[in-house]
Order: sequence, then C-alpha cells, then structure tokens
Amino acid sequence: AQSVTQPDIHITVSEGASLELRCNYSYGATPYLFWYVQSPGQGLQLLLKYFSGDTLVQGIKGFEAEFKRSQSSFNLRKPSVHWSDAAEYFCAVAPRGSGGSNYKLTFGKGTLLTVNP
Amino acid sequence: ETGVTQSPTHLIKTRGQQVTLRCSSQSGHNTVSWYQQALGQGPQFIFQYYREEENGRGNFPPRFSGLQFPNYSSELNVNALELDDSALYLCASSLSGRLPSTDTQYFGPGTRLTVL
Repeated sequence: AQSVTQPDIHITVSEGASLELRCNYSYGATPYLFWYVQSPGQGLQLLLKYFSGDTLVQGIKGFEAEFKRSQSSFNLRKPSVHWSDAAEYFCAVAPRGSGGSNYKLTFGKGTLLTVNP
Repeated sequence: ETGVTQSPTHLIKTRGQQVTLRCSSQSGHNTVSWYQQALGQGPQFIFQYYREEENGRGNFPPRFSGLQFPNYSSELNVNALELDDSALYLCASSLSGRLPSTDTQYFGPGTRLTVL
C-alpha cells in the first residue's frame, strides 16, 4: 500500500532563514505529488504539485519542491522564511493514472513549522 | 478563499448518535471528496462523489455515507457515532471527473466534530 513519510514532526526556524521540509513516499510507481499548507482554523491550501516534466516545481508563496525519483522524495524548500509561513505542512500522493483532480490523496502526518522572530 | 464552504463549523454529539455534515462546492465542480483528519494526523480519504455517484471509497465502514446533489452541495453522514470519529472533516471539490486532468482540488475549512 502507498505511504507518505514526513520524518520531521516539528521544525523551528528563524525568520529569514532557509527551510527544507522532507517527504518520502513508498509506492509501486511514481505517483502524483503534492504539498499542502494548513493554518489554524483553515482548510488545506495547495502550494504546488508534480505530475510530470521538470522535477523542480515552483509553487505559491515562494515555495519550490524537487522530485528525486532515485530517493523517492519530494522535499519542499523556501530560501527565506517569513513569520506568516508558520503553519502545518502536508505532503500527499495520489496514484498515477487515477485521473487528475478526481485522484484520492494519501497524506503524510504533517510537519509543524514554527518561525522565530 | 477557495469558494468551498462547510457547515457547521463545530459540532458536538454523543456516542451512538447520527450526524450530517454539509459542503458547498464551487459552481461547476462535479467532483467532491471527503477526508477525515484526526488530531495530529494527516487527512484520510473517506470517499469521493462524481455527478451524484460514489467514485471510490477509502478504508471507512459503511456507517460513513454520502450524498451529492445537482446544485454542487454534498453531505457526509455518519451513523452510530464512536469516540474515534472525533476529528476535523474536510471536503474538497474539483472541476473534472473520471477523465485524467490536472485540475486542483479545493478544500473547505472543515467541520470540527467532537463525540462525547
């Protein structure tokens, strides 16, 4: 069965510092890959997604992610973190070929990001 | 702002009761998915509806059921509530249905259900 691992439960960074959130997946074939952000009391907002093509994906709010097939990873990065980036981040996968937006997402357990002033 | 709304925001029920949660999708979105997010966990897929028919189901018992209506609204019903059903319930809507596409799923803010 497919699974998503986010090894870091909680990460604290200083404002202005760089950020990398890790995501590894276990799957029979390369799935569709996503990163979502969830702020307190809010639903999930899509940051970026990878379906095919260029393995470096640009998203909203200055985030990017790199798909590495050899490592089954899809790590999220941001060069300079802002205090407003404090939130919980979820990596998710969906089986390739299941369709686009009718895919069924499997989420990791999330990484809580704290930003110090 | 995703244009997806859910009601109510919060709900408290007792064990054994039944509950109905509602979701209003963006106009034109034919697909709605429901997810359960327990405290400290990532969301888990419950089921998906496309044009009022179930289009896939996760590992949830039959007491979790759903409906989708032509006016882009949908419901999640849970019978015989258990303590472990306490969670945030999220719906997500999207444009396309069975054919592959790259359309985004848009999530609502969720309904927080507490079962006592």
